[in-house]
Amino acid sequence: KAGVTQTPRYLIKTRGQQVTLSCSPISGHRSVSWYQQTPGQGLQFLFEYFSETQRNKGNFPGRFSGRQFSNSRSEMNVSTLELGDSALYLCASSLETSGLEQFFGPGTRLTVL
Amino acid sequence: KQEVTQIPAALSVPEGENLVLNCSFTDSAIYNLQWFRQDPGKGLTSLLLIQSSQREQTSGRLNASLDKSSGRSTLYIAASQPGDSATYLCAVTRGSNYQLIWGAGTKLIIKP
Repeated sequence: KAGVTQTPRYLIKTRGQQVTLSCSPISGHRSVSWYQQTPGQGLQFLFEYFSETQRNKGNFPGRFSGRQFSNSRSEMNVSTLELGDSALYLCASSLETSGLEQFFGPGTRLTVL
Repeated sequence: KQEVTQIPAALSVPEGENLVLNCSFTDSAIYNLQWFRQDPGKGLTSLLLIQSSQREQTSGRLNASLDKSSGRSTLYIAASQPGDSATYLCAVTRGSNYQLIWGAGTKLIIKP
């Protein structure tokens, strides 16, 4: 069974631009969660989607948004990029809810210049 | 507010030793606790998941225990190998909200 895939793996953007990251969960998994990892703040929860609906949201500004499609694939979008948005963005999928075991993708390394 | 702490932040031991990594959490109302490893620049690999009703889980040389009443979990690694070198993170899910709350991790170095 294929694991969680994330594209692109690396991304370089400049301040003010916007970016879209993609995540394909493990087949059959309907819950997708997104996390941001930085050296200073560690891992922080962004949001969780289940059946195309956002169920949980972390404490991030509205510039961070996401969506989930009918095939459970998910995208997250960051608008008006800031230098502090440079991070590793990780996507995780789980079978029912994110309370069950979560499986992570390799992440997208975003650098904002 | 749930807070997760991992001590020590870094640990270096010779190959072959048994070792214990610690994770503590402030709110015992957790749904489950999960241990992960992260290799430099990589994503997270799930190691063990302990449901709130369980006391421990084992996988190969790894054993994780959970004591909800004291707000503690330990990850025991037997007969450590250089390939075990990585950052180990623990995370809990809250009772009313399934998002993962993370510790800062323990960076483990196994010296050959």
